[in-house]
Amino acid sequence: QSVLTQPPSASGTPGQRVTISCSGSSSNIGRNPVIWYQQLPGMAPKLLVHSDSQRPSGVPDRFSGSKSGTSASLAISGLQSEDEADYYCAAWGDSLNGPSVVFGGGTKVTVL
Amino acid sequence: QVQLVESGGGVVQPGRSLRLSCATSGFTFSPYGMHWVRQTPGKGLEWVAFISNDGSNQHYADSVKGRFTISRDSSKNTLYLQMNSLRAEDTAVYYCARDGSNRDIDYWGQGTLVTVSS
Repeated sequence: QSVLTQPPSASGTPGQRVTISCSGSSSNIGRNPVIWYQQLPGMAPKLLVHSDSQRPSGVPDRFSGSKSGTSASLAISGLQSEDEADYYCAAWGDSLNGPSVVFGGGTKVTVL
Repeated sequence: QVQLVESGGGVVQPGRSLRLSCATSGFTFSPYGMHWVRQTPGKGLEWVAFISNDGSNQHYADSVKGRFTISRDSSKNTLYLQMNSLRAEDTAVYYCARDGSNRDIDYWGQGTLVTVSS
């Protein structure tokens, strides 16, 4: 059971917009920036969005992140076949046991 | 370019130990904190441990606390994970990853598979 909650799957046709939600709490998303990763089949995760909504250099502007309160979302506009991958949200979490990084369970995006 | 190369994975019996290494290159190692993150085959990501840039602070997931130890050798630009009292549920691909400047994890290695089985 992951600390952050994501839908297990999402899908769309080429060119469509797909949105992935990520729900957390006041001890993680509510107080720390949200990160999004893309994991292509058989590959390591790749940083897609940091600081809730900032894209690293080289990440297409089709990917956009947002946050409100204890929830965040990743939108993929103009969906392309190469976007078929698993997407994970993450954030630092603060608890009595000390700081930790918490992840969502991942969302598999399928391009129909 | 930033490179993180894990090694040391393999098949180990329950209760035994294993040490993973992560050789880094393409960036100055000493200013950066580092993480280990694991992924059970076909499942999601689970953060394992973090070590600060100077090695003075370490944090662990509850699932490995007291059994795993993260360490670093800045003279060798290498990160380590000592895993003791291994359990079947520790079976996973273990990724070495760099702590970024935006409270994120910005670069990941390709991972090394650890299988705990009798």
